[in-house]
Formats: sequence, structure tokens, C-alpha cells
Amino acid sequence: EIVLTQSPGTLSLSPGERATLSCRASQTVTSSYLAWFQQKPGQAPRLLIYAASNRATGVPDRFSGSGSGTDFTLTISRLEPEDFAVYYCQQYGTSAGWTFGQGTKVEIK
Amino acid sequence: QVQLVQFGAEVKKPGASVRVSCKASGYTFTGYYMHWVRQAPGQGLEWMGWINPNSGSTNYAQKFEGRVTMTRDTSISTAYMELSRLRSDDTAVYYCVREYRSPDYWGQGTLVTVSS
Repeated sequence: EIVLTQSPGTLSLSPGERATLSCRASQTVTSSYLAWFQQKPGQAPRLLIYAASNRATGVPDRFSGSGSGTDFTLTISRLEPEDFAVYYCQQYGTSAGWTFGQGTKVEIK
Repeated sequence: QVQLVQFGAEVKKPGASVRVSCKASGYTFTGYYMHWVRQAPGQGLEWMGWINPNSGSTNYAQKFEGRVTMTRDTSISTAYMELSRLRSDDTAVYYCVREYRSPDYWGQGTLVTVSS
């Protein structure tokens, strides 16, 4: 099973700042199968990025994904008030099934 | 538009079973795998398995083998997840998730509470 480790656990930033979230895998993840999700309290996760760097439909271009192999990054170029939430990375490319990182909380400083 | 509709909440006693439903609309139900993911209160996301709605074939996470059964009714575009021998640590929100190139659409979740 591929284990995904996200860092930091919590990111305290102000609106307008840049957020950089990391996701490290225990073994190589085919880039086609790495996703990022945003989750707000009481809501289902929302797909932001798939295949490591492709924005999902309707996702603002301030969100971008990058990386390959075992190291992936989600960047939010300028935080808007609605971006404060928990973010999860996920790999979905193996016959062993999906695995998720433990999440990074982006909170208002 | 694609929708996955799940009903609100269930309360079960330890040892009982629960069946959670997920009604799909806005797309061809048999064309896309359906996964189930759960989230315990205040915790992260945990994958449970998938069903191929076309063939009915399934693949379960090892943790849930023997306790989970995923089925579907293509006539009403609905997927089901049944979890048996419930324990208190099965208390969670259970989501159905469509997979098309990625996990793109999620149901709103069903809260299952296991309590005596």
C-alpha cells in the first residue's frame, strides 16, 4: 500500500498570501493518479486537481498542482477567504485501491 | 448534471448491519466505477472499495473484507454499501464517489452512528 504523508499538518496564513502544501508518497505514484481535494466542515470533499496538475472543472486558476514520482505540491497563489479549509492528497492508480494523506489544515492567521 | 444522492443518517446498535444507498443521475450509471469512502468524526478519509456497476464485480479494502458488501441495482441507478458486525469505531460519514479519470463526484454522505 502506498502511504501518503502531507506536510505541514496546519498552515497559518493571511488572505492574499501564498500557500504551499506538500504530499510525499512512500513509493512512486504514477502522475496520472494523484489528486488533491478541498474539504470544508460538514461538506463532502471537492476535487481540485487530478493527474497531479490538471484543474478540475470550475476550479479557480489560483490553485495549481505539480510534482512527480514521490513528491507532489498543491499551491494556492493568493488565498481567498473561502480557501481556508482542509486539503487532502490522494493516489488512485493501483489495484490495491485508493489511499489518502492525513490532510493539511489551512487556517487564518 | 451529475448527482449522487445519499440519505441523511442511520443509528445502529453494535453487531447490527447497515445498508447505505447512493442514487446516481445525470450520467450513464453503468459506465463508471463507484467507490465508497468513509470519514470518522474529526478524522481523515478511508477507502473501502469499489463496484463496477456494469458487471457487478467488486474490490474491497483488505480491512473490510468479510464485513462489507457492495451491490447495485442498475434499473434505478443506485449503488449500495452494506457493512455488517458494526462496532463503535464504524461511526462515520460514508460517501459514494464516482470515478471517471479521477474521483470526480462525491455524494453528500450518510452519517452512520453505532451506539448501544
